[in-house]
Amino acid sequence: KNEVEQSPQNLTAQEGEFITINCSYSVGISALHWLQQHPGGGIVSLFMLSSGKKKHGRLIATINIQEKHSSLHITASHPRDSAVYICAVRSWWTGNQFYFGTGTSLTVIP
Amino acid sequence: KAGVTQTPRYLIKTRGQQVTLSCSPISGHRSVSWYQQTPGQGLQFLFEYFSETQRNKGNFPGRFSGRQFSNSRSEMNVSTLELGDSALYLCASSLSAGGPSDTQYFGPGTRLTVL
Repeated sequence: KNEVEQSPQNLTAQEGEFITINCSYSVGISALHWLQQHPGGGIVSLFMLSSGKKKHGRLIATINIQEKHSSLHITASHPRDSAVYICAVRSWWTGNQFYFGTGTSLTVIP
Repeated sequence: KAGVTQTPRYLIKTRGQQVTLSCSPISGHRSVSWYQQTPGQGLQFLFEYFSETQRNKGNFPGRFSGRQFSNSRSEMNVSTLELGDSALYLCASSLSAGGPSDTQYFGPGTRLTVL
């Protein structure tokens, strides 16, 4: 059983489209992180959330603690957004360790 | 500020050997976490250190161990290597272990191949 589930696994979009990636989790969390991994391995932290909504440029992340669900939105997608997006939670149920989703591979076509 | 650095970047070992990987965090960061990434299992949490103390540990066998030094640099060690230990090992640093300053800053990783 995976503590963190992401959907979709793969996503192809046309440049300019609005994109949504979903993350559901089954443990109690102290924070949820959205990460971006480009080909070649480098991982960048996009957001850390414990409630509500955060926005950075064209990226928006929301979290609903009661429903144990988070979404990452990309507005006006661009080919440089092509990457794997990973949802991670820090769970206080298990001593604050991290659990990761399997990632969503996004390809944005010009 | 310099980012998180990891050495070596690439490593080839044979089964049964042991390996030590090193991670230097961003200056001022006192928390270092280690992760394993494989195509089959994705990212998995190994352990986390804060101020030289292991704060959290993932579900890995005792062959995986780590430590943190007083300057916050961290090492992880894998003994008696198995083929399944082939992976990208990532470390990340943050200001705190949990809480509002918990944004993880990742290093480039060490690619370990076990033959």
